[in-house]
Amino acid sequence: KAGVTQTPRYLIKTRGQQVTLSCSPISGHRSVSWYQQTPGQGLQFLFEYFSETQRNKGNFPGRFSGRQFSNSRSEMNVSTLELGDSALYLCASSVLAGLELSYEQYFGPGTRLTVT
Amino acid sequence: AQSVTQLGSHVSVSEGALVLLRCNYSSSVPPYLFWYVQYPNQGLQLLLKYTSAATLVKGINGFEAEFKKSETSFHLTKPSAHMSDAAEYFCAVSDHSNYQLIWGAGTKLIIKP
Repeated sequence: KAGVTQTPRYLIKTRGQQVTLSCSPISGHRSVSWYQQTPGQGLQFLFEYFSETQRNKGNFPGRFSGRQFSNSRSEMNVSTLELGDSALYLCASSVLAGLELSYEQYFGPGTRLTVT
Repeated sequence: AQSVTQLGSHVSVSEGALVLLRCNYSSSVPPYLFWYVQYPNQGLQLLLKYTSAATLVKGINGFEAEFKKSETSFHLTKPSAHMSDAAEYFCAVSDHSNYQLIWGAGTKLIIKP
């Protein structure tokens, strides 16, 4: 099975612009989570989508949004970029293992966003 | 609410020495526990997981962890460190209320030659 893919891998944007990042989960995985990782704040949970619905949300401003499509692919959008949005954005997919939640998350390589 | 504490943001060991990375959790219900590893400029990779079966869990690359309920700990060990083990390690605990993982702050493992 192909792993989680994220595009693009690297991105440079200017303050005030907006950006869209894409994530394709492992085939059959219906849950997609997004994380922001920075040296100072560590791994911060952004949101999780399951069957096209946002099921959980972290503590980020409304400039951060996402969506999930019927094929489970997900996108996240950041509007009005700020310098502090520079980070590695990670996507992870997971699957319900029968009647038992596995919780195990499979991560993509991340998108490195630099805001100048 | 569940939480995870990883003791030490940086741990330095000599090549060939024992690796011990500490993780303590709080959970009101029996948790699932995970260790992930992240190499530079990569995503996170699952090392091992505890899901209420054997308390001593073996993972990839020679790592293992022991679930100790009385100590609410899930420390990661490896008998002999290799240079290739240099990476950041994350401990996570399941949050059954919202199907999410709660993450520790991470520990950077430094291997001295």
